[in-house]
Amino acid sequence: DQQVKQNSPSLSVQEGRISILNCDYTNSMFDYFLWYKKYPAEGPTFLISISSIKDKNEDGRFTVFLNKSAKHLSLHIVPSQPGDSAVYFCAAGGGGTYKYIFGTGTRLKVLA
Amino acid sequence: GAGVSQSPSNKVTEKGKDVELRCDPISGHTALYWYRQSLGQGLEFLIYFQGNSAPDKSGLPSDRFSAERTGGSVSTLTIQRTQQEDSAVYLCASSADSNYGYTFGSGTRLTVV
Repeated sequence: DQQVKQNSPSLSVQEGRISILNCDYTNSMFDYFLWYKKYPAEGPTFLISISSIKDKNEDGRFTVFLNKSAKHLSLHIVPSQPGDSAVYFCAAGGGGTYKYIFGTGTRLKVLA
Repeated sequence: GAGVSQSPSNKVTEKGKDVELRCDPISGHTALYWYRQSLGQGLEFLIYFQGNSAPDKSGLPSDRFSAERTGGSVSTLTIQRTQQEDSAVYLCASSADSNYGYTFGSGTRLTVV
């Protein structure tokens, strides 16, 4: 039973365009969401978060949108850069739980 | 240290052998987690330590897996009688506040042959 799903295993985007990575969750008790970026042979690094009391959080080129009714969040990267090429994981937690459930990741490739 | 340190970075072991993986969390972080990432899979929760509380072992896949955390700092994940399906990247993370995400180490890539 996958509580956090990233249905697109990979995505290719041209440099300068927008990258949109999607994530769906099933547990309505989740109230805090994270995005991590992972380069090969490195551990995941924290990118951006959003609390369920918000529907948008922006940090530079990265914006996370949360649609609670649809149990859906998305990460927008604008403009995309070749250095953004990595695997992106979304994670959901909170609601009294201390562990985050991670999705399977989306491999983003930004083409120069 | 400045980050979460894991050793070894790579480990190749024969099926049936025991292995120990080490994690040195960020100083002062009271929460420590072990996750693993198998090929093509997401990050699978294994175990969680918080201060002096009893650990949450609910994610350990079998009784061949165990972990301890000594003195509230360094943690060791032990896999006994390794099997090929144990091959994965084992990631350790620590957090000062378990509500707001964690800092991961670079992981240990375990290959069981």
